Amino acid sequence: NAGVTQTPKFQVLKTGQSMTLQCAQDMNHNSMYWYRQDPGMGLRLIYYSASEGTTDKGEVPNGYNVSRLNKREFSLRLESAAPSQTSVYFCASSDGGMGYQPQHFGDGTRLSIL
Amino acid sequence: RKEVEQDPGPFNVPEGATVAFNCTYSNSASQSFFWYRQDCRKEPKLLMSVYSSGNEDGRFTAQLNRASQYISLLIRDSKLSDSATYLCVVNSYNQGGKLIFGQGTELSVKP
Repeated sequence: NAGVTQTPKFQVLKTGQSMTLQCAQDMNHNSMYWYRQDPGMGLRLIYYSASEGTTDKGEVPNGYNVSRLNKREFSLRLESAAPSQTSVYFCASSDGGMGYQPQHFGDGTRLSIL
Repeated sequence: RKEVEQDPGPFNVPEGATVAFNCTYSNSASQSFFWYRQDCRKEPKLLMSVYSSGNEDGRFTAQLNRASQYISLLIRDSKLSDSATYLCVVNSYNQGGKLIFGQGTELSVKP
């Protein structure tokens, strides 16, 4: 009964390094999302995938890329990490049409960029 | 104007108190509404969906007022374990139906 699983849970990077955040869901959901959460800013949508094979930009996509590898997996890549990308990253998934069903979240990746 | 606005609080209440949160949304075409809770930077968790007729789940009651475009959450008989940030969530038709999260209202329940 895992739900949404994110790896890693914590990561420290140096400026300019790259890394990929992994997300997998076992609920057979069509839609998947990546958010970042910063103090005082609330959740901001980075990218989303309404269905397997499609991805779209959210509110704050600059500096990130995504891959919807299959229906279960949606990864987020930082090509050249910057201190401004220090944040908590949450992956989420939802069933049915976008916006009609609630989203279910993973427990987050805490990322620090030095 | 933000699409979803909440009073950030904090609301400090004693155990057993009744507390109410309001949330306003700007898009009159919004169709889906939810309340989430988030504990201390952990993941948001769905508390309840909000239906047009209003709905109740134990000590929690959610109401929707479409005419005034606001949603409310009432918590009765507050417990220490209710201390968290409560997020109001609305779908946005002019952004492909994506969910828009409010910044949250912080609740602290004291003994």
